[in-house]
Amino acid sequence: GENVEQHPSTLSVQEGDSAVIKCTYSDSASNYFPWYKQELGKGPQLIIDIRSNVGEKKDQRIAVTLNKTAKHFSLHITETQPEDSAVYFCAASRDTGGFKTIFGAGTRLFVKA
Amino acid sequence: NAGVTQTPKFRILKIGQSMTLQCTQDMNHNYMYWYRQDPGMGLKLIYYSVGAGITDKGEVPNGYNVSRSTTEDFPLRLELAAPSQTSVYFCASSLPPRGGFNYGYTFGSGTRLTVV
Repeated sequence: GENVEQHPSTLSVQEGDSAVIKCTYSDSASNYFPWYKQELGKGPQLIIDIRSNVGEKKDQRIAVTLNKTAKHFSLHITETQPEDSAVYFCAASRDTGGFKTIFGAGTRLFVKA
Repeated sequence: NAGVTQTPKFRILKIGQSMTLQCTQDMNHNYMYWYRQDPGMGLKLIYYSVGAGITDKGEVPNGYNVSRSTTEDFPLRLELAAPSQTSVYFCASSLPPRGGFNYGYTFGSGTRLTVV
């Protein structure tokens, strides 16, 4: 069946460094790719998303890139801060052929002050 | 703006007991979802609804039931609780797809359920 692989499972960076999380999807019909941030004890929160008709999107310190040919998308966080420490989930979604959104297993990001 | 509200936040059930997890949203979203999150794992879809009176199974529906009598409410019912249902449950809502694209979800803060 369809799946989304997310790497790495854990990432530790120094404050001010960049962090990159990568996801690969298998369903070629996926056309919407959201990223969620989950802080301890809270529900996931949408932080950025990208549609298949766009190759890159940026919002302040975070950016997402999409390579449809390789079925690969990535989250980039620049100038990391301690408050960026959380679990990040990617997801791949499509609307055709029935509703389906598949989540990655998550990446736990630690930003060391 | 409350967003998605889930109750209770924590619950301990004994094997075989039943309970209802409540979820309500005030954003007038047609689409609502129930996910479970096991430790160190991603989110698995239990049930979803595209509008009042319409529900459908997700990846892991066994042992659960849902109803959607209003746009705002989407309760999840656990019948005959089992230890395998120990998990954190998240309710979410979203706008319906437009132009062939889905929209992102707004999640509730979760219900942590332990079955002993």
